[in-house]
Amino acid sequence: GAGVSQSPRYKVAKRGQDVALRCDPISGHVSLFWYQQALGQGPEFLTYFQNEAQLDKSGLPSDRFFAERPEGSVSTLKIQRTQQEDSAVYLCASSPWGARTDTQYFGPGTRLTVL
Amino acid sequence: AQSVSQHNHHVILSEAASLELGCNYSYGGTVNLFWYVQYPGQHLQLLLKYFSGDPLVKGIKGFEAEFIKSKFSFNLRKPSVQWSDTAEYFCAVNINQAGTALIFGKGTTLSVSS
Repeated sequence: GAGVSQSPRYKVAKRGQDVALRCDPISGHVSLFWYQQALGQGPEFLTYFQNEAQLDKSGLPSDRFFAERPEGSVSTLKIQRTQQEDSAVYLCASSPWGARTDTQYFGPGTRLTVL
Repeated sequence: AQSVSQHNHHVILSEAASLELGCNYSYGGTVNLFWYVQYPGQHLQLLLKYFSGDPLVKGIKGFEAEFIKSKFSFNLRKPSVQWSDTAEYFCAVNINQAGTALIFGKGTTLSVSS
């Protein structure tokens, strides 16, 4: 079946612009995660949804970052007033349930470059 | 704060050589452990995971990993690598007291020459 998809795959923004990154999880998956991966680093957790509820947003680096999943499927990560340090690959992952032993299935990521 | 350390940043091997990639985590409680792989141009995908039972777990493509609780380690092994194993490998841990998010190491790039 279809995996996790993300759009756009690449985004270039001028500093100060707002951006919106979309994630389509695997159909029926309850849990959805956003991670940020800087160059040469491993993914770092940003936020977690179970259905439409945002249960953990402890990894969001500032109040410029906002995520939503209003109907419990598609999710959008929004970054307001982008800064150069926001340049990274943003990964979305979904998993079937909310179990800690679940495999997380990752999308291809959106590479954000802020000029 | 909890963390995951991968000792090798870049490993270069010839085909048929044996592989061991180190992974250590810093948490004394119950953990679930994962190895993910990212082949060039592809998504992160699961190689194997451990959450209970036999500490030696086998994954896809002939990979295995051993959980040694006393050493806080979960090293990845493969007896004989192939050129197609060229990829970036990430160790990750999920800590039961801290939700379901994964904490990743910085990754190890494996280059296999034919």
